[in-house]
Amino acid sequence: AQTVTQSQPEMSVQEAETVTLSCTYDTSESDYYLFWYKQPPSRQMILVIRQEAYKQQNATENRFSVNFQKAAKSFSLKISDSQLGDAAMYFCGGEISYGQNFVFGPGTRLSVLP
Amino acid sequence: DAGVTQSPTHLIKTRGQHVTLRCSPISGHKSVSWYQQVLGQGPQFIFQYYEKEERGRGNFPDRFSARQFPNYSSELNVNALLLGDSALYLCASSPWEDRSYTFGSGTRLTVV
Repeated sequence: AQTVTQSQPEMSVQEAETVTLSCTYDTSESDYYLFWYKQPPSRQMILVIRQEAYKQQNATENRFSVNFQKAAKSFSLKISDSQLGDAAMYFCGGEISYGQNFVFGPGTRLSVLP
Repeated sequence: DAGVTQSPTHLIKTRGQHVTLRCSPISGHKSVSWYQQVLGQGPQFIFQYYEKEERGRGNFPDRFSARQFPNYSSELNVNALLLGDSALYLCASSPWEDRSYTFGSGTRLTVV
């Protein structure tokens, strides 16, 4: 079965500092999509960033960027200039399994300290 | 533009009952998928529909079923409810060609 692993159940970062959340995955597909979603206490899933596996360039969205290492099956999220509003659960996931749609990891709870 | 809307937002059911959850996708989105999120875990994929046809199914029992209507809205049905079915049920829509999934706020189901 295709899986997504997030090895850090909890992380914390000082406001304005940078933090990196780790994600690894297992897939036999050659083309797929990877995502990071943020889930605040409201439980609304909010798309943070998306990466297409065939693209070599790492995706960037404002303060959020990824380090995508296809051969290593690694997809980490870097948050720069952390803000209090970044505190949430972060889920890594992707369309890595044909016919199974989305596979999510177990999540990383990020706390931002003032 | 309206986002993905789910109804109801909360409901409480008794073991053995049946429940129907509803989802309206963003206008123009033809794909809808359903997820179950148990407290403290990541969402688990249940179904995906595109153009009214099932395109993916997760590892859930046959008590779970879904369908998509001509207007691309969708229903998730769960029969013979168990206590373990208590969870947040999320719906997401996408244009299919562009893998941009937008999630609704979810329906919180409690089975007592």
